[in-house]
Amino acid sequence: SAVISQKPSRDICQRGTSLTIQCQVDSQVTMMFWYRQQPGQSLTLIATANQGSEATYESGFVIDKFPISRPNLTFSTLTVSNMSPEDSSIYLCSVAGTSRVSNEQFFGPGTRLTVL
Amino acid sequence: QQQVKQSPQSLIVQKGGISIINCAYENTAFDYFPWYQQFPGKGPALLIAIRPDVSEKKEGRFTISFNKSAKQFSLHIMDSQPGDSATYFCAASTGLGANNLFFGTGTRLTVIP
Repeated sequence: SAVISQKPSRDICQRGTSLTIQCQVDSQVTMMFWYRQQPGQSLTLIATANQGSEATYESGFVIDKFPISRPNLTFSTLTVSNMSPEDSSIYLCSVAGTSRVSNEQFFGPGTRLTVL
Repeated sequence: QQQVKQSPQSLIVQKGGISIINCAYENTAFDYFPWYQQFPGKGPALLIAIRPDVSEKKEGRFTISFNKSAKQFSLHIMDSQPGDSATYFCAASTGLGANNLFFGTGTRLTVIP
C-alpha cells in the first residue's frame, strides 16, 4: 500500500475563513478521493480528485465550497471555504490504483478541523 | 438513504471471545466489500475485503462471511484481543475500478482484558 500524508494534521479556524488541506502520496496513484468524517460518524465521500481536470463532486457538495486541485498523480488539495462551525470534521484523503486489486482504497491519517 | 446498514453500533467482548459485526446492503450492483479498522485519531486502515464470488475469506483471526442471496456480510474476529478495540466500518462499492465506497455507520468494539 502507498504511504499517504496529510497537512495539517489539525487546525482551529475562525468562521468565514478558508483552509487548504494537502494530501501527498509516495507513489503515483490512479485515483484520489476526499472524504468527510464528522465526529463519531461514518465517512462520506466529498469528491473524486481527477488529475488534469475538474473534480467530480457527490450530491450535497459543491465546488465553490470545496475546491479541489490535483496537479499530478501524487498530490491533491482540498480547500474548505468560508467555514462555519458545521464544517468541523475530520477530512480524509484516500487513494486507489496502487495495488493489483484496483478497488482497494487506502486512507491518509486525516485532518481534524475545528471551526469556531 | 444509508446504502450499507451496519450493526451493532457498539460491542463489548471479553478477551479471547468472538466479535461479530454485521452489514446488509440493497444494491445488487455492489461487488466489492471491504472492512476498515479505525483507531482514535487515525485514518481507516483496510483490514480485509471480499468479492461476491466467494462465501468466506479468512486472514489470520479475521474472517468475512458473505451471503449473496441475503445481501449480508459479516466480520468475525476470533480470539479477540484488547488491541482489537477500535471502530470497524464495513463498506461496499461497484465496478472493476476504484469507485465510491459506501460506508456503514461503524461499530465501536471494546475488548475487555
